[in-house]
Amino acid sequence: GAVVSQHPSRVICKSGTSVKIECRSLDFQATTMFWYRQFPKKSLMLMATSNEGSKATYEQGVEKDKFLINHASLTLSTLTVTSAHPEDSSFYICSARDRGLSYEQYFGPGTRLTVT
Amino acid sequence: EDQVTQSPEALRLQEGESSSLNCSYTVSGLRGLFWYRQDPGKGPEFLFTLYSAGEEKEKERLKATLTKKESFLHITAPKPEDSATYLCAVRTLSGYSTLTFGKGTMLLVSP
Repeated sequence: GAVVSQHPSRVICKSGTSVKIECRSLDFQATTMFWYRQFPKKSLMLMATSNEGSKATYEQGVEKDKFLINHASLTLSTLTVTSAHPEDSSFYICSARDRGLSYEQYFGPGTRLTVT
Repeated sequence: EDQVTQSPEALRLQEGESSSLNCSYTVSGLRGLFWYRQDPGKGPEFLFTLYSAGEEKEKERLKATLTKKESFLHITAPKPEDSATYLCAVRTLSGYSTLTFGKGTMLLVSP
C-alpha cells in the first residue's frame, strides 16, 4: 500500500518556540494532504486540508496563523506550530490522498509534540 | 450535519470469539465509508473502503459490510494481534475530499 512518513516522530520544545513537522508521501503523488490532531483516547480532528500549490483550507476554530501549512510539492507538506504553548501538546497526524486512487487517505505514523 | 457513531466504545473478546463492530452514520450523501485500524501511538492504517449498500470486503479475519444506515466490521476468530482501535470514517457530498471520523472502538483480544 501507499506509504506516508512523518518527521520527527517525537519532539519536545519550550513554550514560545516554533516547531516544524514534515509529511511525505513516499511512493505516490499527493495533490491533497490533510493534517489532524488527536487527543488521548479521542478520535482524529481535522485541522486543515493542504492542496499542492495553493493555500490550505482550515477547519473552523483552527488558527491559521498559529498552524502554518505549506504544501510545496506533490510529495511534501509541512505543519509549523508557531509560538507553541503547553496546550498545543498533542499527537499530530498527516494523511495523503493518492491522486490516482479514489478518495482513500493514507496516514503517516504521527508526531508526538510536547511543549514544556 | 454529518455524524458518525461507533459502538461499542470498547470491546473485550477471548481469542477465537467472533464479534462485530458497528458504525452508524447520518450524512447528506455518502461518497464512501472507510475503516481504519489504529495501534497506540501510531497513525491509522487503511483497511477497507465501501461505496454502496450491499457491498462487502474481506481481509484475513476481517469483513466489512455496508447498508444505507450503517457498516459492520466482523472479526472472525480474533487473535491477540487484532487488538487495536478500529476507526470508521465517511466521505460525503458536502465534505468534498475530507473524512468525518467516528470516535472508534477499542478492541482487546485476550489469549
